[in-house]
Amino acid sequence: AQTVTQSQPEMSVQEAETVTLSCTYDTSESDYYLFWYKQPPSRQMILVIRQEAYKQQNATENRFSVNFQKAAKSFSLKISDSQLGDAAMYFCSITNAGKSTFGDGTTLTVKP
Amino acid sequence: EAGVVQSPRYKIIEKKQPVAFWCNPISGHNTLYWYLQNLGQGPELLIRYENEEAVDDSQLPKDRFSAERLKGVDSTLKIQPAELGDSAVYLCASSLLAGGTGELFFGEGSRLTVL
Repeated sequence: AQTVTQSQPEMSVQEAETVTLSCTYDTSESDYYLFWYKQPPSRQMILVIRQEAYKQQNATENRFSVNFQKAAKSFSLKISDSQLGDAAMYFCSITNAGKSTFGDGTTLTVKP
Repeated sequence: EAGVVQSPRYKIIEKKQPVAFWCNPISGHNTLYWYLQNLGQGPELLIRYENEEAVDDSQLPKDRFSAERLKGVDSTLKIQPAELGDSAVYLCASSLLAGGTGELFFGEGSRLTVL
């Protein structure tokens, strides 16, 4: 079985500042993918960033980057230069052989 | 390219009534998922299809929930009879099984309210 834990139910950040969302996971598999998804209020969930477990280099997508610590089973998301449009619920997820498991999410508020 | 399409977006029914949700995945995606999402929580898997085969339905409450994916394309999730605790958002997602990165593409969800 695989599990995902997001220990921060809510986070807030000032516009233009940086925020880090935490995620830890557990799996017995060595080959898997990790994801951060964003779900704006009443809108569909979309991919923010993806990390292959076999890659040591941390993934980066514009203002979004991850800190992937495989041994510690930690996968945090850093959002730089936060924008009002970043306000949403963020879900950490692990996928192995087609099976995807999600955390309970972190609600991010961006203050102008 | 069209995304994952779900209908209806909203449904309000009385308890003990039946309800059905429909999902059309992205063309070419052979894996289809139905998730249940309660308010303020993450999605929980109900059933996963690879083509027309249900490969993981261990979390589907089979006494009242059923699903089908005829011809390995679109899918229907049914609840009969609905209970108050079934009020939630039902999410459909699709992905590529082989050659994909495991990314899930989600529909907008079907929000069910049971009165």
